Amino acid sequence: DTAVSQTPKYLVTQMGNDKSIKCEQNLGHDTMYWYKQDSKKFLKIMFSYNNKELIINETVPNRFSPKSPDKAHLNLHINSLELGDSAVYFCASSLMLGGARANEKLFFGSGTQLSVL
Amino acid sequence: RKEVEQDPGPFNVPEGATVAFNCTYSNSASQSFFWYRQDCRKEPKLLMSVYSSGNEDGRFTAQLNRASQYISLLIRDSKLSDSATYLCVVNDPNTGFQKLVFGTGTRLLVSP
Repeated sequence: DTAVSQTPKYLVTQMGNDKSIKCEQNLGHDTMYWYKQDSKKFLKIMFSYNNKELIINETVPNRFSPKSPDKAHLNLHINSLELGDSAVYFCASSLMLGGARANEKLFFGSGTQLSVL
Repeated sequence: RKEVEQDPGPFNVPEGATVAFNCTYSNSASQSFFWYRQDCRKEPKLLMSVYSSGNEDGRFTAQLNRASQYISLLIRDSKLSDSATYLCVVNDPNTGFQKLVFGTGTRLLVSP
């Protein structure tokens, strides 16, 4: 069983379209994240949710809207896609927020490669 | 100054060699440090945490130098399978332990 699964693996779309990426984790973790890895391989956090509540919202355009229907799911919807949105998007989860080291270990999904044409 | 800086490499080494990477971080209040490994076109995976006293896991040794604000990763007896990008990860103390900041990675290529 895949611990953190995200779909689709590849997404090719035209500028201006709206698309969604789905993420599910079966680890029983409380915290889920979206990360973006650009063409220079820089991995940057976008959002973090703890038990369905938004905790971290980096300076991401509001065209990006995360939704967490329950603590096992964190989806990412992107409106009006732009060329600069092309990147690999990783979903991740961790046991919980807090100070214990074990809680900080991130489990990543296999990534969604988004190409905007 | 970037929050987490790494030499991008690549480091080209023969099998069996010992290789070391350093990573510097900007915020002296950071408290959690990790090394992640990322294979080409794959997701990052935790390699090891870095503890204040230094720690070892098989062929891998991690060290933390708080005074100089850097962490290091030493790989002994390199294997072909060690070829990957190694990501230095540090927590952002402004958000407690909630946010981890990734370096851009150091690429290692181990050749036969």
